[in-house]
Amino acid sequence: GAGVSQSPSNKVTEKGKDVELRCDPISGHTALYWYRQSLGQGLEFLIYFQGNSAPDKSGLPSDRFSAERTGGSVSTLTIQRTQQEDSAVYLCASSSVGGTTYNEQFFGPGTRLTVL
Amino acid sequence: AQSVTQLGSHVSVSEGALVLLRCNYSSSVPPYLFWYVQYPNQGLQLLLKYTTGATLVKGINGFEAEFKKSETSFHLTKPSAHMSDAAEYFCAVRISGAGSYQLTFGKGTKLSVIP
Repeated sequence: GAGVSQSPSNKVTEKGKDVELRCDPISGHTALYWYRQSLGQGLEFLIYFQGNSAPDKSGLPSDRFSAERTGGSVSTLTIQRTQQEDSAVYLCASSSVGGTTYNEQFFGPGTRLTVL
Repeated sequence: AQSVTQLGSHVSVSEGALVLLRCNYSSSVPPYLFWYVQYPNQGLQLLLKYTTGATLVKGINGFEAEFKKSETSFHLTKPSAHMSDAAEYFCAVRISGAGSYQLTFGKGTKLSVIP
């Protein structure tokens, strides 16, 4: 498929465990974004990668959250010592040109994280 | 910083009736404005966008929206609702120009269509 893919689609974990969420962007897209969708908070920006530039981490809610993007393609969002308030749908998006002109962000289906 | 307010977390309309979903934004510089739709258990799909030029923009599935700078609004409309329009709709803003990339979303409006 040509779209953004995310895995797993659902993840249930116990409080205190670490989780990794994966995003495969559209081939050739240099920009990649993570958002969090939670009840009552709507959609919140988490982090942005563009090419080889340093990522914009301004949306990460705490130092338990981190993300990396290897080889300019696949990205992994890691949440350490998960808390119940981390339960949400984590959405990944990619776009063809980041930051300088309008660029449509294409969204993946999301990973639903439930922390028990 | 920019922000988006969607009036009404839940809107119900009868099939065939007008759909009106309201969005107001705040931005200190000219914005880019978007409407996304999310069907259950799916990602976001772009319905339409305003960047520059004509203030009335048409999107997919018969939806359109009008950018009104004086009212800082970007309301979404469709003349006749269809059952397949039932979904959640998100308005989003992005500041135009270099270095601006993240989308700021409203909290969403869930549209129900009554047969």
